[in-house]
Amino acid sequence: DQQVKQNSPSLSVQEGRISILNCDYTNSMFDYFLWYKKYPAEGPTFLISISSIKDKNEDGRFTVFLNKSAKHLSLHIVPSQPGDSAVYFCAAIRSGGSNYKLTFGKGTLLTVNP
Amino acid sequence: DADVTQTPRNRITKTGKRIMLECSQTKGHDRMYWYRQDPGLGLQLIYYSFDVKDINKGEISDGYSVSRQAQAKFSLSLESAIPNQTALYFCATSVGGASYNEQFFGPGTRLTVL
Repeated sequence: DQQVKQNSPSLSVQEGRISILNCDYTNSMFDYFLWYKKYPAEGPTFLISISSIKDKNEDGRFTVFLNKSAKHLSLHIVPSQPGDSAVYFCAAIRSGGSNYKLTFGKGTLLTVNP
Repeated sequence: DADVTQTPRNRITKTGKRIMLECSQTKGHDRMYWYRQDPGLGLQLIYYSFDVKDINKGEISDGYSVSRQAQAKFSLSLESAIPNQTALYFCATSVGGASYNEQFFGPGTRLTVL
């Protein structure tokens, strides 16, 4: 049973527009959420995170929103740039004894067209 | 220079062969991890090690073994490779601690088992 779901395998947006990547989770014990970005032939790199005690975290062009009641989070990229084209993975963690264990979604391929 | 390196980057082998994938890090982190990514899927944890004397199974450890030769080195072995072990393999590292700490990923090893 997949505990972290990214239901859109791909997303295409125009340069300068907003990209919104979505993620749903089923395990209510998750209390920390992360987005990783992956370029071809490279490993994933950490992008942004959010604790379950917050509903928004912003870092430059990247903002993550968390809706705990809906068990949903989203990553907003504004404005989108061609260099943002990559696979984005949503991941979740349950703190405490399992704070090392990342549960990943399947990823969403973002393509930003010039 | 890369902080987390993996060798080889690509490997093609035959069913039944023994394969070793190696990971080295210069970050000085205590924790090291091996993940597997299948096409269209997220990363799944194979094994993890919190220090040289501590090795633990992850979600999908069957068919794999690991060795933590030193703080900086963590190798993954497939004793008798099978085709469904064809995947992208990532090593990652992190500092330890009570709260979550960012995991840094290597560039990956693409393994094909014929």
